[in-house]
Amino acid sequence: EAQVTQNPRYLITVTGKKLTVTCSQNMNHEYMSWYRQDPGLGLRQIYYSMNVEVTDKGDVPEGYKVSRKEKRNFPLILESPSPNQTSLYFCASSSTGYTGELFFGEGSRLTVL
Amino acid sequence: GENVEQHPSTLSVQEGDSAVIKCTYSDSASNYFPWYKQELGKGPQLIIDIRSNVGEKKDQRIAVTLNKTAKHFSLHITETQPEDSAVYFCAASFWGGNQFYFGTGTSLTVIP
Repeated sequence: EAQVTQNPRYLITVTGKKLTVTCSQNMNHEYMSWYRQDPGLGLRQIYYSMNVEVTDKGDVPEGYKVSRKEKRNFPLILESPSPNQTSLYFCASSSTGYTGELFFGEGSRLTVL
Repeated sequence: GENVEQHPSTLSVQEGDSAVIKCTYSDSASNYFPWYKQELGKGPQLIIDIRSNVGEKKDQRIAVTLNKTAKHFSLHITETQPEDSAVYFCAASFWGGNQFYFGTGTSLTVIP
């Protein structure tokens, strides 16, 4: 089954404790991206990757890092989480980049205390 | 960069009625306009999209219209059903750009 898998789905952590949200897709997509969803703000792009070893910032990259060492994986790293990073995070992938269908994961709800 | 505005933020309709959600965009270079449906606890899923060389596209009860001159596009759902209740997002992107720009979402409730 074609899918984008995120882990963990739910996480409560404390300020400053490094965490990684993993994302994996099994569709051999070149394009992957991370979004955060906040009430009233919709979906905002954090980082995206056009291919292995190629990443770039979206609209809200501060406080986040990403890496793309393999085509299928695109982890989101929060080196020192802060409460303003409490949000619902989505990973997405696409075979055609930003002019075709995005396939989203089921989301990771992160709470930073 | 592109700015996509979406209205209304919430919409309630009686089952069987039609629902319309409207979006405007700012960058005339945008040429791809998808609509996503997000059910509770799930990720958004593409339901219909339209490219700038087309003015209207239909898929059963769902249709999207695009007015390039006015820079707005709309989602029309006819004969609404309770399972249409969800959050809907519009988005815009363009070839040569680097990302999708999403609207702020519309929470649609279909009342049985």
